[in-house]
Amino acid sequence: AQSVTQLDSQVPVFEEAPVELRCNYSSSVSVYLFWYVQYPNQGLQLLLKYLSGSTLVKGINGFEAEFNKSQTSFHLRKPSVHISDTAEYFCAVRPLGGGYQKVTFGTGTKLQVIP
Amino acid sequence: DAGVTQSPTHLIKTRGQHVTLRCSPISGHKSVSWYQQVLGQGPQFIFQYYEKEERGRGNFPDRFSARQFPNYSSELNVNALLLGDSALYLCASSPSLLGDYEQYFGPGTRLTVT
Repeated sequence: AQSVTQLDSQVPVFEEAPVELRCNYSSSVSVYLFWYVQYPNQGLQLLLKYLSGSTLVKGINGFEAEFNKSQTSFHLRKPSVHISDTAEYFCAVRPLGGGYQKVTFGTGTKLQVIP
Repeated sequence: DAGVTQSPTHLIKTRGQHVTLRCSPISGHKSVSWYQQVLGQGPQFIFQYYEKEERGRGNFPDRFSARQFPNYSSELNVNALLLGDSALYLCASSPSLLGDYEQYFGPGTRLTVT
């Protein structure tokens, strides 16, 4: 079984400041890692994903994440946030193989960008 | 190309009633998954269907059922609704079952049970 922990339920940050949203996971098998963003009253949009290879992954809207296998972490970062980044962000994992694509999500982090 | 579509967008039901939610995947996608997102929580996996067969099931009671049609669209059915079934129900599609394909999510159906 897999689990995902997002320690920060809310993160306030001033516009143009950097931000890091933390994600730790637990799994007995190898996993793919994802970050999704959810704007109010909308579905989920994929920001970025780690499948293999380079541990630094770049996504859309200037976001990037770094996979750290020893710390089982996949923190999301952006060097300078914009008001439009205000949304809820979900970290998720999916096991390699297994016959189906059960994705396990964290509880989410609400990013509030302050003007 | 159209993304994943879901209908209806909003729904209000009474306890004990039955509800059917519908999902149309992206053209060419053969796999559909359903998730329940209760307010303030992350999405929880309910089902995955591929080629009209159930390939995975989350920890949900038998009141929840689903099916996939020959055109790969899908229905999620919930019987004997409880207040706790109030949630955003998300559908996601992907081209295949395995591999590194990502899932594309629809906008969801907001179900309110009163």
